[in-house]
Amino acid sequence: QLQLQESGPGVVKPSGTLSLTCTVSGVSIDTYGHLWVWIRQPPQRGLEYIGYLHNSGTTYFNPSLKSRATISGDTSKNQFSLRLNSVTAADTAVYYCARPTSRRGYFDSWGPGALVTVSS
Amino acid sequence: QSVLTQPPSVSGAPGQRVDISCTGSRSNIGGGYDVHWYQQFPGTAPKLLIYDTTNRPSGVPDRFSGSKSGTSASLAITGLQAEDEAVYYCQSYDSSMSASDYVFGTGTEVTVL
Repeated sequence: QLQLQESGPGVVKPSGTLSLTCTVSGVSIDTYGHLWVWIRQPPQRGLEYIGYLHNSGTTYFNPSLKSRATISGDTSKNQFSLRLNSVTAADTAVYYCARPTSRRGYFDSWGPGALVTVSS
Repeated sequence: QSVLTQPPSVSGAPGQRVDISCTGSRSNIGGGYDVHWYQQFPGTAPKLLIYDTTNRPSGVPDRFSGSKSGTSASLAITGLQAEDEAVYYCQSYDSSMSASDYVFGTGTEVTVL
């Protein structure tokens, strides 16, 4: 049974770097063909895809983030992480880690989400 | 910023049917890509409701059904129940260079009168 759990600071200062980790259990993140993604949801708003990490180490990001995001994996801990730099209040959101079934598929497993507030 | 457009809200009496539309373009739904639907309650993560346009995961009541035509898709809830009050999102893949691969709808809040 795949489970995902986000963790990280709940508050980040403006212009700082947001860092979140997703701990995966039940499946190894380096399993062939698997993707691992981050999705966020600003308060009272819709879902926004951030980017993915492929088991090969390849990453891809939403063009709207303008290269502010990086995603990396730690196979020894079975975790993958998101870093988002130069944050503003607009980056305040609940951040979810999730697993899609394929590059063009759907998300069958989600973490419970972690609220990150950008505030001084 | 959402690529897929949904009505902000729909409502219906218990037992009635409601339909939620999801309008895209030729680079996503109209390009033949599947549409998926999620149900989200306040404070919780989205839950997969319909996958690959018409399929229900195990445990999802058959009151929920999905369809697609052209550049739009639709989620139907028949026999509406109070427990169906939630926000519903569609999701697909977008092949355009300016989009983000996985694209979501704007979300629709369902109210049971």
